[in-house]
Amino acid sequence: GENVEQHPSTLSVQEGDSAVIKCTYSDSASNYFPWYKQELGKRPQLIIDIRSNVGEKKDQRIAVTLNKTAKHFSLHITETQPEDSAVYFCAASGAGSYQLTFGKGTKLSVIP
Amino acid sequence: EAEVAQSPRYKITEKSQAVAFWCDPISGHATLYWYRQILGQGPELLVQFQDESVVDDSQLPKDRFSAERLKGVDSTLKIQPAELGDSAMYLCASSQTGGFYNEQFFGPGTRLTVL
Repeated sequence: GENVEQHPSTLSVQEGDSAVIKCTYSDSASNYFPWYKQELGKRPQLIIDIRSNVGEKKDQRIAVTLNKTAKHFSLHITETQPEDSAVYFCAASGAGSYQLTFGKGTKLSVIP
Repeated sequence: EAEVAQSPRYKITEKSQAVAFWCDPISGHATLYWYRQILGQGPELLVQFQDESVVDDSQLPKDRFSAERLKGVDSTLKIQPAELGDSAMYLCASSQTGGFYNEQFFGPGTRLTVL
């Protein structure tokens, strides 16, 4: 089955700096890669996703890049703000499956 | 905005007892998922329903866990008997058709503590 590795597990940045979280996946047929944000005690919420026919997608301060050859994708957050502090999960949808396999998460702390 | 509902939000039980969790997906969402999230890790799929049918329960510990979605709407996940290692957050999610590109919407979860 699909295996998703996520790094780093924790990340601290100063307010205004950029943050990058990286994920690798094992199934070359995977074609859907969402990112979820989970604040303490709250439900995971989708913040951005990318399909395998696209190399990059942006939404205001958030962007995701996908390298199908290397089987990795990354989340980029620019001009970080304290409210960006949360745990971020990447996920991948494997071939022939509607299911998501999640990474172990990255705890992002934005220091004011 | 419609949301996935779950109850209870918190459950404390003793090992060997039975527990049950309830989920009400967003109206019109045919696909329902139950995930288990251990502290510090990502959600792991336990079971997926398409309408009232189980699509995948390969990761469900069937000796003690059961799940049903009798009318294809709300769902119940049961554990009997509960074990210490079952302490985790149990998340329910739903999506419109279960296709590759359909966003999964998560409920607030039920945090289970087994003593």
